[in-house]
Amino acid sequence: QVQLQESGPGVVKPSGTLSLSCAVSGGSIISTNWWSWVRQPPGKGLEWIGEIDQSGSTTYNPSFKSQVTMSVDKSKNQFSLILTSVTAADTAVYYCARNGYWSMDVWGKGTTVSVSS
Amino acid sequence: NVLTQSPGTLSLTPGDRATLSCRASQTVNSRDLAWYQQKPGQAPRLLIYGVSSRATGIPDRFSGSGSGTDFTLTISSVEPEDFAVYYCQQYGGSPLYTFGQGTTLEIK
Repeated sequence: QVQLQESGPGVVKPSGTLSLSCAVSGGSIISTNWWSWVRQPPGKGLEWIGEIDQSGSTTYNPSFKSQVTMSVDKSKNQFSLILTSVTAADTAVYYCARNGYWSMDVWGKGTTVSVSS
Repeated sequence: NVLTQSPGTLSLTPGDRATLSCRASQTVNSRDLAWYQQKPGQAPRLLIYGVSSRATGIPDRFSGSGSGTDFTLTISSVEPEDFAVYYCQQYGGSPLYTFGQGTTLEIK
């Protein structure tokens, strides 16, 4: 049973860099699956940020393209998200997820990130 | 592709039938529409993928249907644990994944 766990700082300063990791347990990141990041601002809906596969190939949401970098670390069985030049609008719960059949079938519990000075 | 869910809020009593709608601004491939349930403080949970296939462990009171631009999630008889927010999601296009704005199913 694959499980995902997000980790990273809960507070980031405006104009700073948000950096999160997602640890994969109960399975290997080296698979045919792609892996996604999704965020949810307080009281709002879900927004897909991008996806990565085990080779490091990525697809990003154009809304984030200038801000986002994703990477994979096979040795640690985890993947990561970097978001640069953050503002208050980037305050959200950030989820990592496993992509299944054109959907996301396994989700982490989410980590709250606040952008505040 | 923009997904519009209706109604915004659905107020029902346990035992009622729930019908949630998701309308796409462009035609959606038959495999590319999914539904999620999200309870307060929890991550979304996949309910339906490929328009009508139930995810692992999802009770058969949940069903999905539709084609083209109009899709429906039906809960045949709402249980107390079903009160939550429901999102539809489409795959394909740009961005690759898009979500509807959500429908809140609340106790009447």
